[in-house]
Amino acid sequence: QKEVEQNSGPLSVPEGAIASLNCTYSDRGSQSFFWYRQYSGKSPELIMSIYSNGDKEDGRFTAQLNKASQYVSLLIRDSQPSDSATYLCAVNGDTPLVFGKGTRLSVIA
Amino acid sequence: GAVVSQHPSWVICKSGTSVKIECRSLDFQATTMFWYRQFPKQSLMLMATSNEGSKATYEQGVEKDKFLINHASLTLSTLTVTSAHPEDSSFYICSASSGQVEHFGDGTRLSIL
Repeated sequence: QKEVEQNSGPLSVPEGAIASLNCTYSDRGSQSFFWYRQYSGKSPELIMSIYSNGDKEDGRFTAQLNKASQYVSLLIRDSQPSDSATYLCAVNGDTPLVFGKGTRLSVIA
Repeated sequence: GAVVSQHPSWVICKSGTSVKIECRSLDFQATTMFWYRQFPKQSLMLMATSNEGSKATYEQGVEKDKFLINHASLTLSTLTVTSAHPEDSSFYICSASSGQVEHFGDGTRLSIL
């Protein structure tokens, strides 16, 4: 069974710090990797996708992928209170996506 | 970007009522749509995969006669919760695939009294 593991948190970081969110996956054949952000009571929204090993940067967000270690991470620089949410890691080898249970991030002002 | 519209956003109804939720891809065609359920403070749970023009594929433990899915066109899938009961109260979310990316609707909060 394909699994995606995340630390449930909460992960608390001070405003302005770097938040580091981690995810491991079991299916070595996975091809596509996504980070979604979900605010309480809202549906998930896509913030990053990554398909090849290495880093991918988009504004304050950097996704990192290491297929050999079956590990994907999300770094949030200059964390803001508005970044406080649950971050879902999702992995795809074939449809549908397999989601982790999410890590709750709390950015303290 | 890809937009998925879900309607209604909130439903409150009596036990025994059937409720229909619509999911539309507004600016792209989606051969595959997904239906999820999420209880408070829990993770997303995939209920079924909806393919245009064919029967939906339900996840283990999801009653297909209870949760009717129709994907009649490339832009519309519907989920009908038949004879809903209080234990069906939850946050129902659809998503539509554009390539390998899933785009989510805003969700429907269903409350059965």
